Amino acid sequence: EDQVTQSPEALRLQEGESSSLNCSYTVSGLRGLFWYRQDPGKGPEFLFTLYSAGEEKEKERLKATLTKKESFLHITAPKPEDSATYLCAALGSYNTDKLIFGTGTRLQVFP
Amino acid sequence: DAGITQSPRYKITETGRQVTLMCHQTWSHSYMFWYRQDLGHGLRLIYYSAAADITDKGEVPDGYVVSRSKTENFPLTLESATRSQTSVYFCASRETDFDYGYTFGSGTRLTVV
Repeated sequence: EDQVTQSPEALRLQEGESSSLNCSYTVSGLRGLFWYRQDPGKGPEFLFTLYSAGEEKEKERLKATLTKKESFLHITAPKPEDSATYLCAALGSYNTDKLIFGTGTRLQVFP
Repeated sequence: DAGITQSPRYKITETGRQVTLMCHQTWSHSYMFWYRQDLGHGLRLIYYSAAADITDKGEVPDGYVVSRSKTENFPLTLESATRSQTSVYFCASRETDFDYGYTFGSGTRLTVV
């Protein structure tokens, strides 16, 4: 059964304190690994798509990486406006379009 | 406005009533999806559609009905609402390739009393 697990559930960082969020996935035939940001009361906002092990993508203070079993979202020198819930999702196999989400990591960055 | 629009934003209904949540996208994306988001469960797929008149079940389809007569609209109907269907519902769409991911609407918060 396809599964996505995120850790930690919650993370508190001081402004400027870099850290990483983890996403472990078990899917057959990974077609894409997605990262989203979600602010309270809003829909998820797309950040990255990763396709194969070794791939990396960057956007401002965020960098996403992918291995055969995990993906990491690295946050460098975070600012309070980076506070949000970060969601990871995986799409596996060629027979369905069922994107499987993890339960997210709630990040708080305080000044 | 371009994008994906959900309505209503908030809805309170009684147990046993039929409720329809609306979703409209302006990009002509082939693929559209309905998710529900609950504390502790994350986002779970209810139904999805690969094109007009083509729909398929997701992870939690029981109690829901969808239709897609036009590419831009994908309504979700709760035939007889139950309290367990109290949730936040998100509609999403995507292009054929995955480079831009799935685009989500702002959600409908549904409360069944």
